Amino acid sequence: DTGVSQNPRHKITKRGQNVTFRCDPISEHNRLYWYRQTLGQGPEFLTYFQNEAQLEKSRLLSDRFSAERPKGSFSTLEIQRTEQGDSAMYLCASSLVGDRDGETQYFGPGTRLLVL
Amino acid sequence: EDQVTQSPEALRLQEGESSSLNCSYTVSGLRGLFWYRQDPGKGPEFLFTLYSAGEEKEKERLKATLTKKESFLHITAPKPEDSATYLCAVQDTGTASKLTFGTGTRLQVTL
Repeated sequence: DTGVSQNPRHKITKRGQNVTFRCDPISEHNRLYWYRQTLGQGPEFLTYFQNEAQLEKSRLLSDRFSAERPKGSFSTLEIQRTEQGDSAMYLCASSLVGDRDGETQYFGPGTRLLVL
Repeated sequence: EDQVTQSPEALRLQEGESSSLNCSYTVSGLRGLFWYRQDPGKGPEFLFTLYSAGEEKEKERLKATLTKKESFLHITAPKPEDSATYLCAVQDTGTASKLTFGTGTRLQVTL
């Protein structure tokens, strides 16, 4: 079973550096989501794609954040000029739109980012 | 704006001691209500989706119910392996896709 995978699982970086995370969704899922979760909080929506089109971005997503999903398969989330406030777990989820159950989003294991 | 409030924040049960977790929500139109389980350092694991008031779903020791204002996750005769954070999320008909989560209930089940 190939669920949602994310790489790397952990990332430690210095303030001001750029980081990039990768998400591979469940095969044939056409929607892909990015969320951010801090300690003691629930995940917060950042952005989502349907196929290769980025359809919605949260106000949380500052201009230092950019996401892509080339060819509608894997996705990358890049954070430029990282700040200590960016430290969080970055979660990716995917779903298959069209089925009623397709509204269910399946999450990956997350990438934990620590900015020193 | 969608809102999800979960209670209690934390719950400690003895093995076999049944209880319920609450999720109160405010949405303009409910497209779906979701329950997830999250273990420390891991991503949320899907449990249930509920779509309309009166709907119920069960899985092993867990049963989820839905009304027009809240959802309950009932845990019957819990075991230590049920210890986790349980997250509730809603999907609004107006916002289409994104999930709005509560802060979760941390459940600890002891022997």
